[in-house]
Amino acid sequence: QVQLKETGPDLVQLTQTLSITCTVSGFSLTTYNVHWVRQPPGKGLEWMGAMWNGGGTDYNSAFKSRLSISRDTSKSQVFLKMNSLQTDDTAKYFCARRDGSYWYFDFWGPGTMVTVSS
Amino acid sequence: DIQMTQTPSSMPASLGERVTISCRASQGISNYLNWYQQKPDGTIKPLIYYTSNLQSGVPSRFSGSGSGTDYSLTISSLEPEDFAMYYCQQYDSSPPTFGAGTKLELK
Repeated sequence: QVQLKETGPDLVQLTQTLSITCTVSGFSLTTYNVHWVRQPPGKGLEWMGAMWNGGGTDYNSAFKSRLSISRDTSKSQVFLKMNSLQTDDTAKYFCARRDGSYWYFDFWGPGTMVTVSS
Repeated sequence: DIQMTQTPSSMPASLGERVTISCRASQGISNYLNWYQQKPDGTIKPLIYYTSNLQSGVPSRFSGSGSGTDYSLTISSLEPEDFAMYYCQQYDSSPPTFGAGTKLELK
């Protein structure tokens, strides 16, 4: 069955770089797009970016050049890397698969909570 | 970016009640409107996609409608497990954007 799972640090220091891995199973990264969405504590959902099935990427301009998304198809993993972390980057980070036909997120990981500490 | 205005932000309701949550886009989104449920443990699941299509496994008491800029999610008769957060999301254009959410609470 389709599964996604995020793994990353619980705590990251201010101005440092965040690295999170999304490991997927039950589908191929060359067939489906995988997206990153985050949620600060008590707040709503914010789309961050995507890894297209063809290998391209798309980013939310709100993250300017801080964000990088890549993948290793042989390991079924998608990587999020974001630098220059600030306290307002404290959030739960989710990866999600996008349905190919209707452009909605049909499967989500449980998310990983990251706290940026000063 | 397309702004999604979701109302109400919170809704007290009773078991068995019929409720409707609304979502308005800042421009037409050609029915590319999806609804998600987030449980208190943080897990997110899709309910409705492309305005009115029920995700597999979602009970038929959930339904969606709308067109243009205005969309809604209706739950016909609330069950205990329906008390959660609900988010609308558009994907007519990038970046996909979400409404601020509606907290459905037990009255």
